[in-house]
Amino acid sequence: DTAVSQTPKYLVTQMGNDKSIKCEQNLGHDTMYWYKQDSKKFLKIMFSYNNKELIINETVPNRFSPKSPDKAHLNLHINSLELGDSAVYFCASSLQPSDQPQHFGDGTRLSIL
Amino acid sequence: DQQVKQNSPSLSVQEGRISILNCDYTNSMFDYFLWYKKYPAEGPTFLISISSIKDKNEDGRFTVFLNKSAKHLSLHIVPSQPGDSAVYFCAASDNAGGTSYGKLTFGQGTILTVHP
Repeated sequence: DTAVSQTPKYLVTQMGNDKSIKCEQNLGHDTMYWYKQDSKKFLKIMFSYNNKELIINETVPNRFSPKSPDKAHLNLHINSLELGDSAVYFCASSLQPSDQPQHFGDGTRLSIL
Repeated sequence: DQQVKQNSPSLSVQEGRISILNCDYTNSMFDYFLWYKKYPAEGPTFLISISSIKDKNEDGRFTVFLNKSAKHLSLHIVPSQPGDSAVYFCAASDNAGGTSYGKLTFGQGTILTVHP
């Protein structure tokens, strides 16, 4: 059973398009995160939700909008995709905010043409 | 401003020997540190952690050492095995802080290759 699952695994699209990445966790955790791994390989936090409420919102363009329909799901919608959005996006979850470790999904590789 | 740094992009060791991966941090508010292991096309997998109230934590072949005064931590793997070949990420969190909400700050990773 996959604990944190992301779909799709790969996403190739044109500049200017709108796309969504979905994340689901079956661990019963309250807190979910989105991280971006850029070309320099750093993983950087983007957003976090706790029990459907936004608790972390880093300096991210407002073209990125997270949505949490319930505790087990955190989706990432990206409008007007730009070349610089090409990266691997990782979803993660933890029992509560500040609980460690966080459990990660396998990532979504987004490529902008 | 990179608050967590792994200055060695790669490390190559022989099977059976010790692997030592290093990590430095600058933010004195960090009080919890983790090591994650990552295989290609997979997500990071938690390996071992240490709280700032300790200076050592051991789990089987893996030991993490923390030197708070130097703001330095290291991961020792003994003995190293070919299956340990992966990217290792160091991460830090300000857990006691009221507004960090468990945000992890990662280093850029070290590629470990263990040769048979």
